[in-house]
Amino acid sequence: GNSVTQMEGPVTLSEEAFLTINCTYTATGYPSLFWYVQYPGEGLQLLLKATKADDKGSNKGFEATYRKETTSFHLEKGSVQVSDSAVYFCALSDQGGTASKLTFGTGTRLQVTL
Amino acid sequence: GAGVSQTPSNKVTEKGKYVELRCDPISGHTALYWYRQSLGQGPEFLIYFQGTGAADDSGLPNDRFFAVRPEGSVSTLKIQRTERGDSAVYLCASSLRRGGLTDTQYFGPGTRLTVL
Repeated sequence: GNSVTQMEGPVTLSEEAFLTINCTYTATGYPSLFWYVQYPGEGLQLLLKATKADDKGSNKGFEATYRKETTSFHLEKGSVQVSDSAVYFCALSDQGGTASKLTFGTGTRLQVTL
Repeated sequence: GAGVSQTPSNKVTEKGKYVELRCDPISGHTALYWYRQSLGQGPEFLIYFQGTGAADDSGLPNDRFFAVRPEGSVSTLKIQRTERGDSAVYLCASSLRRGGLTDTQYFGPGTRLTVL
């Protein structure tokens, strides 16, 4: 079955540091890949997505590239801010199925300090 | 416009009781999903509705869990004979589901269920 593995947290960075959160996946077919973010006290929000190999999703300074050869979708940001502190979830959707149900990783908590 | 809403936001019940959790999707969204998120974990899929019918209920853990969407809009997740292991945040999401196109799911704030 489908699965998503992401690096364990918490990740603690100073403001303006470079961020990478690793995500790898196992799936049949050609899934779409997503990063969702959960800010403290808020619901899950879509951060970015990519629907096919070599696509790059980007939003709010975050980027992730769909790498089929390494089955990865690592999240990066060049300069993090305190306001980026949240839990980040990598997820995939098997578009070949009858439903777009999402399979999530366990989440990575990011804490950014001044 | 209004997002996905879920009620109640918190529900505390006793072991063995029956509970209902409600989800009101974004207007016009035909697809509706229920997920369950345990502490420290990512959300896990429970059931998916396309319109009024449950198109995929493969994630429901057992027959104590049931969900309905009688008019293709609001959905209710029903849990019978609750157990302490059912304690989690229950998330609802909706999407346009335009068939064949990548679909973005929009999540509600969740209902935190605590079974004592």
